[in-house]
Amino acid sequence: AQSVTQPDIHITVSEGASLELRCNYSYGATPYLFWYVQSPGQGLQLLLKYFSGDTLVQGIKGFEAEFKRSQSSFNLRKPSVHWSDAAEYFCAVATGGGNKLTFGTGTQLKVEL
Amino acid sequence: DVKVTQSSRYLVKRTGEKVFLECVQDMDHENMFWYRQDPGLGLRLIYFSYDVKMKEKGDIPEGYSVSREKKERFSLILESASTNQTSMYLCASSFFLELFFGEGSRLTVL
Repeated sequence: AQSVTQPDIHITVSEGASLELRCNYSYGATPYLFWYVQSPGQGLQLLLKYFSGDTLVQGIKGFEAEFKRSQSSFNLRKPSVHWSDAAEYFCAVATGGGNKLTFGTGTQLKVEL
Repeated sequence: DVKVTQSSRYLVKRTGEKVFLECVQDMDHENMFWYRQDPGLGLRLIYFSYDVKMKEKGDIPEGYSVSREKKERFSLILESASTNQTSMYLCASSFFLELFFGEGSRLTVL
């Protein structure tokens, strides 16, 4: 069965600094990969997704992620963090034949002004 | 925009009560899901439905049941609530694997 690991539970960055959130997946075939963001008191919103093709995908709010098959990773990046980016971020994976997503345990991002 | 509406944002129930969590989506999506979210555990799938009257167990179905009588509505039922079901419950619908979430229902069982 597929699984997702987000090794960082909490991350703190200064506003304007760059950000990288790590995500590793376990799945034999090419996975479908997602990053979601959850602002306080809200549901989850899709940031970006990877299905195939270019391994660097662009998302909303200035985020991007890179799929690296050799490392089984799909790390989320942003060159300059804004205070409004403080939220919880979830990586998720889906199999090609199914319609279910498996989520990681999330990374809580704090932005220092 | 897709809208997924969960009827109750906050509920407080007593142990043993029957609890209904309602979810409605307005985009005619085939698939709907109920997740449970707990700190440090992320989102765990309780049940999902890929069509009216169809349901499949997710990873943690014990203590829960679901109902999908109409395409737009997917209900989560706790037959006899217990304190370990205190949690945030998230409903979602999907289109080609992209999930659209409601704002969540925070349930406290006393």
